[in-house]
Amino acid sequence: EAGVTQSPTHLIKTRGQQATLRCSPISGHTSVYWYQQALGLGLQFLLWYDEGEERNRGNFPPRFSGRQFPNYSSELNVNALELEDSALYLCASSPYLETQYFGPGTRLLVL
Amino acid sequence: AQSVTQLDSQVPVFEEAPVELRCNYSSSVSVYLFWYVQYPNQGLQLLLKYLSGSTLVKGINGFEAEFNKSQTSFHLRKPSVHISDTAEYFCAVSDLVQGAQKLVFGQGTRLTINP
Repeated sequence: EAGVTQSPTHLIKTRGQQATLRCSPISGHTSVYWYQQALGLGLQFLLWYDEGEERNRGNFPPRFSGRQFPNYSSELNVNALELEDSALYLCASSPYLETQYFGPGTRLLVL
Repeated sequence: AQSVTQLDSQVPVFEEAPVELRCNYSSSVSVYLFWYVQYPNQGLQLLLKYLSGSTLVKGINGFEAEFNKSQTSFHLRKPSVHISDTAEYFCAVSDLVQGAQKLVFGQGTRLTINP
């Protein structure tokens, strides 16, 4: 069974640009979660989507947004990039309210 | 809000020695507990989970953890470690209050195995 996949693996942007990160969940999983792993800040919850709707949001500014498509894949968009947005962004998927399984992550570097 | 404390940021251990990685969480009415492992330049892999039932949980790669409700702890153990266990380990709690399904992670414990 294929695991959670994320693309791209690495992304380099400059300050002020927009970044789009993609995630494909495990087949049969309806929920997708996004987490940020920044140096010194640990793993922080960003967003939770289920059945196409945003269910919960972490303490991040509105320039972090996303969506979930009918096939349950998801995009995370980060607008007006700042240097401190440099981090590993992890996507996880699960059946509704069940155990989360993580992808390999997208490493975003903002210059 | 839930919080998770991993008491050791780094744990050096000799190969074939036992290891315990400590995790404490803040109390809640309903809580699920997890340990994930992160190998260098990779995502998180689920080691084990406690949802209900037996307080001793066995996971992959010979790891186990014990849920202790009175001490709000979920320590991870392995009786004999291998070089390949070198990684960062994260304890996490899932708080289902108000249906807010999210994982709250500890700061991680870096396990280093020395030959």
